Amino acid sequence: KAGVTQTPRYLIKTRGQQVTLSCSPISGHRSVSWYQQTPGQGLQFLFEYFSETQRNKGNFPGRFSGRQFSNSRSEMNVSTLELGDSALYLCASSSLLAVQFFGPGTRLTVL
Amino acid sequence: GENVEQHPSTLSVQEGDSAVIKCTYSDSASNYFPWYKQELGKRPQLIIDIRSNVGEKKDQRIAVTLNKTAKHFSLHITETQPEDSAVYFCAASKEGAGGTSYGKLTFGQGTILTVHP
Repeated sequence: KAGVTQTPRYLIKTRGQQVTLSCSPISGHRSVSWYQQTPGQGLQFLFEYFSETQRNKGNFPGRFSGRQFSNSRSEMNVSTLELGDSALYLCASSSLLAVQFFGPGTRLTVL
Repeated sequence: GENVEQHPSTLSVQEGDSAVIKCTYSDSASNYFPWYKQELGKRPQLIIDIRSNVGEKKDQRIAVTLNKTAKHFSLHITETQPEDSAVYFCAASKEGAGGTSYGKLTFGQGTILTVHP
């Protein structure tokens, strides 16, 4: 099976802009979770979608949002970008069990 | 919510030595504990995991132990090799009845392991 894929791999944006990141899970996986990775805060959970519904949410402001489509592909959106949003954004997919497989990530730089 | 503490933050060993990384968790309802290895510029890769109904699990040179009473779990790597050099993350999650995943991993801060040839 093909692994988790994410697009784009790199993004450069300026403060105040918005950005949309995409994640395609492993075929047959219905759960997609998103994480933010920074040197200072480590890996932090953003939210999880299962069957097009947000099932879990982390402690991030409302500027961070997501959605999931009927084919399980997921997008996350960050509006009104801030310098502190610069990070590696990782998505992970899983089947019924808790085992999560990560994508390569999208490196977002906010200038 | 869940909190996971991981120690040490850096670990340096000689090739062939053993390495041990320890994590503690706060939520007694957590029952699934994976370990991920992340090489520079790469995605986190699952290397081993353990569920709360098991006390120890081994896969070749890697083993994980779990003490539910003390709420801590450890990663043991034996006969370390230079290619084991990476950042290792522990995590905790709740896996529901019937295998339903709650989809949220809480990670430790990571351990930078360096294996010197």
